[in-house]
Amino acid sequence: GNSVTQMEGPVTLSEEAFLTINCTYTATGYPSLFWYVQYPGEGLQLLLKATKADDKGSNKGFEATYRKETTSFHLEKGSVQVSDSAVYFCALMGSGGYQKVTFGTGTKLQVIP
Amino acid sequence: KAGVTQTPRYLIKTRGQQVTLSCSPISGHRSVSWYQQTPGQGLQFLFEYFSETQRNKGNFPGRFSGRQFSNSRSEMNVSTLELGDSALYLCASSPDSTSYNEQFFGPGTRLTVL
Repeated sequence: GNSVTQMEGPVTLSEEAFLTINCTYTATGYPSLFWYVQYPGEGLQLLLKATKADDKGSNKGFEATYRKETTSFHLEKGSVQVSDSAVYFCALMGSGGYQKVTFGTGTKLQVIP
Repeated sequence: KAGVTQTPRYLIKTRGQQVTLSCSPISGHRSVSWYQQTPGQGLQFLFEYFSETQRNKGNFPGRFSGRQFSNSRSEMNVSTLELGDSALYLCASSPDSTSYNEQFFGPGTRLTVL
């Protein structure tokens, strides 16, 4: 079956530091890949997505590139802010329609001033 | 457009009781999925409904059930509650569950079983 593996947290960074959260996946075919973010006390919000190989998703300064050769979808941001403190989830939806979303375990990011 | 709404937001029950949670999807969305989120297990898929039909199901016992109404609103029911059912239950909607459509999540219902 499909699976998503993302780096363990928590990750603590100083404001303006560079962020990378690793995500690798296992799936047959050509899944779509997503990054969701969850702020304290809230549900998940879509941060960015990519639906085919070599696509780059981007939003709010975050980027991730769909790498089929390495089955990866690492999340990056050049300069984090305190307001980026949240839990980040990597996820995939299998190809072929009517597929459930498989989530990684989540990575908690804390940005300190 | 209003977002996904879930009611109630918080719920406290005791072991052995049953509970019903409600989810109203974004207008026009026909697919509703349910997830259980716990610190130990993360986000686990419960089931997905589309046009009143369950299309996908996760690995949960039969105590967990759901349904979807003709207006796409969905309910999930948990019978004979156990302590381990304490979790945040998230509902997500999408126009369909094809791979190009992201899911939009509600704020969740926090269930505590005592």
